[in-house]
Amino acid sequence: ILNVEQSPQSLHVQEGDSTNFTCSFPSSNFYALHWYRWETAKSPEALFVMTLNGDEKKKGRISATLNTKEGYSYLYIKGSQPEDSATYLCAFKVDSSYKLIFGSGTRLLVRP
Amino acid sequence: DSGVTQTPKHLITATGQRVTLRCSPRSGDLSVYWYQQSLDQGLQFLIQYYNGEERAKGNILERFSAQQFPDLHSELNLSSLELGDSALYFCASSQRLGEDYGYTFGSGTRLTVV
Repeated sequence: ILNVEQSPQSLHVQEGDSTNFTCSFPSSNFYALHWYRWETAKSPEALFVMTLNGDEKKKGRISATLNTKEGYSYLYIKGSQPEDSATYLCAFKVDSSYKLIFGSGTRLLVRP
Repeated sequence: DSGVTQTPKHLITATGQRVTLRCSPRSGDLSVYWYQQSLDQGLQFLIQYYNGEERAKGNILERFSAQQFPDLHSELNLSSLELGDSALYFCASSQRLGEDYGYTFGSGTRLTVV
């Protein structure tokens, strides 16, 4: 059974704090790692798709890194804003089967 | 609007009944995926279709079935419903096999079985 673990489960920070979360996945048979942002009452929205070891992606204040050899990815948010409050999901794709296995997410709450 | 349309948004039905959830993928996307999110659980993969053919199956119950039609819309059929089937059902689409752009999710169908 392939598991994707995310930590922490939830995180409360003050506006302006920088924060990061971890996604751990099996390091064998890696194909791709996805990050999604899921706001309450909306649907998950893709942030990054990462495929190569050492990949770093950035979108505004949010960035992500990937280490496929040790099986982890970090998502960083610099200077958190209340509008960053959401659940951040990572998902792992084992190979060309195209099935994404999702972690349970990290719920971020940014207090003004 | 993500471009993936799911109907209905909400559904309340009794145990033992059968329902059909519908998904229209984003224009140009050939793959459709169905996921279930139960209370306090993550997104659980149910089934994937690509251009009308089943490509991958997850922990989908035998009481559940799905298909993708020639116009690429997909339907998820849930029968002999039980209380435990109450969940948020998401459909997602992506472009093509072999190219990874991330999934585009619909807004989900919230199913309540009473």
